[in-house]
Amino acid sequence: GENVEQHPSTLSVQEGDSAVIKCTYSDSASNYFPWYKQELGKGPQLIIDIRSNVGEKKDQRIAVTLNKTAKHFSLHITETQPEDSAVYFCATNQAGTALIFGKGTTLSVSS
Amino acid sequence: GAVVSQHPSWVICKSGTSVKIECRSLDFQATTMFWYRQFPKQSLMLMATSNEGSKATYEQGVEKDKFLINHASLTLSTLTVTSAHPEDSSFYICSAGRQGSSYNEQFFGPGTRLTVL
Repeated sequence: GENVEQHPSTLSVQEGDSAVIKCTYSDSASNYFPWYKQELGKGPQLIIDIRSNVGEKKDQRIAVTLNKTAKHFSLHITETQPEDSAVYFCATNQAGTALIFGKGTTLSVSS
Repeated sequence: GAVVSQHPSWVICKSGTSVKIECRSLDFQATTMFWYRQFPKQSLMLMATSNEGSKATYEQGVEKDKFLINHASLTLSTLTVTSAHPEDSSFYICSAGRQGSSYNEQFFGPGTRLTVL
């Protein structure tokens, strides 16, 4: 089955810096790659996603890149703000299957 | 659009009792719903996949007789934790895939915090 690895497990940055979180996956048939932000006691919130026919997608301060050959995808957050502090999860699936999640990255942005 | 609700948001029960958690898609029809469990500081682990009108498919290691899943309509799935014990205390999260789509995308509920005393 699919296996998703996520690094780093914790990430501390200063406000205004960039943050990058990386994930690798094992199943070459996976074709959907979302990123979720989870705050304490809440369900995961989709922040950006990308499909396998696209290499990069950007939404304001957030971007995701995908390298299908290497089977890895990354989340990039620029100009970080304290409210970006949360746990971030990558996930992947193919049509008709459940999302499989990475282990999560705790991002701390200090002002 | 694509809102998923869960009820209750939190529940405390005594060991040995059963607890039912509801997952509803409010503004779309969900062919498939998924149930995840999340322990503190851990990731979401898939428990089962629920298709409307058919039996749920459970992941390896998840006891189907303990975690009863019913998906009676295209907008409602329920998870019943039977004879709950303290080790079942966790955050239970459902997600739903939209009917008619490839359901790569899943829409997540806000989660239910279960505490078993």
